[in-house]
Amino acid sequence: DAGITQSPRYKITETGRQVTLMCHQTWSHSYMFWYRQDLGHGLRLIYYSAAADITDKGEVPDGYVVSRSKTENFPLTLESATRSQTSVYFCASSGTETYEQYFGPGTRLTVT
Amino acid sequence: DQQVKQNSPSLSVQEGRISILNCDYTNSMFDYFLWYKKYPAEGPTFLISISSIKDKNEDGRFTVFLNKSAKHLSLHIVPSQPGDSAVYFCAAHNDYKLSFGAGTTVTVRA
Repeated sequence: DAGITQSPRYKITETGRQVTLMCHQTWSHSYMFWYRQDLGHGLRLIYYSAAADITDKGEVPDGYVVSRSKTENFPLTLESATRSQTSVYFCASSGTETYEQYFGPGTRLTVT
Repeated sequence: DQQVKQNSPSLSVQEGRISILNCDYTNSMFDYFLWYKKYPAEGPTFLISISSIKDKNEDGRFTVFLNKSAKHLSLHIVPSQPGDSAVYFCAAHNDYKLSFGAGTTVTVRA
């Protein structure tokens, strides 16, 4: 499927567990991003990547780890999930010639 | 410290009337501004944008105005339609990254 996909769409996990959220894009976009959406905060940038093997922290990176071994994939890992990480997570991508970012459908994560 | 602010969490408007959404920013380095629309259980979708060197951009029913001296932009939707009921996010660009406002929920009444 063309575009940007996220999996799983819904996830419930327990405090302390490791969780990985997947993101895949088919446009060969250079840039990829992870955001979390929380009421009253809008979308906050967690991590971003300018290319394979190049990643950098965003506004709220604590408790998260990313990697980008291939251009099309950008997984986000919560090493030890906490209740404060309950949120909706969006992955996005963009090319180098445009400022628009294109978003995936989101993953709703609940940490109990 | 939120650099992009949408001070109205919600807006209710009658079908056919104008919807005006406002956004303020603090960072002078922002060079491009975008509006996104989001329906429940979906990702945000790009709606319209404006460069910092312009003061107006129009696309069909949607017009974005930028007042750089006031660090303020607004989105006008005319006429408002039921399908416009959604959350609207203002975003500002700098160095390939976007900073988002908290969003405004628009409800269009029949």
